[in-house]
Amino acid sequence: AQSVAQPEDQVNVAEGNPLTVKCTYSVSGNPYLFWYVQYPNRGLQFLLKYITGDNLVKGSYGFEAEFNKSQTSFHLKKPSALVSDSALYFCAVRDGGSYIPTFGRGTSLIVHP
Amino acid sequence: SQTIHQWPATLVQPVGSPLSLECTVEGTSNPNLYWYRQAAGRGLQLLFYSVGIGQISSEVPQNLSASRPQDRQFILSSKKLLLSDSGFYLCAWEQDRGPDTFGSGTRLTVV
Repeated sequence: AQSVAQPEDQVNVAEGNPLTVKCTYSVSGNPYLFWYVQYPNRGLQFLLKYITGDNLVKGSYGFEAEFNKSQTSFHLKKPSALVSDSALYFCAVRDGGSYIPTFGRGTSLIVHP
Repeated sequence: SQTIHQWPATLVQPVGSPLSLECTVEGTSNPNLYWYRQAAGRGLQLLFYSVGIGQISSEVPQNLSASRPQDRQFILSSKKLLLSDSGFYLCAWEQDRGPDTFGSGTRLTVV
């Protein structure tokens, strides 16, 4: 079985400050991990993924995430937040032997000017 | 280039009417395709996935069905819509152990 948790419904950060959106996961095999962003009434946009290799993954729009196997976490980070980063962020996990990803419930990121 | 198309963007249908949503991908062959439903702007529920023509796996028993008549075409259907079928429907395509690319979505309102 696989599961993913996004413990925060909402994250508030001031523009220019660093941001972190948390994600923890559980899988029985090797995890494939993903982050997506969704703007209102739009489809999800892929940000980055971890399949194997370097634990620090860099993605679109200046976002990055670190795979931490011991803490089973894959937190999304950005050094300096922009107001335009305000959106809904989804973490997803997939067991390497499965076709089926599991999505978190999403975290609403609000960046204040 | 590789793209995914999904239509229509919005749809208002009466209860008991049929439904057909279409998703097509371009620029690739034999993609793995997914249909998701998103309720209330939050969590995604996987409805169906397909690894090839005529190969459909259903994740949730419901009023919906899916078909894949061609390699790059994935269709979501219903014979009789229920109020509970309202939601935001998303098609997605796996490029590399994804899903990596999502369509723009269809907002379905059943009235």
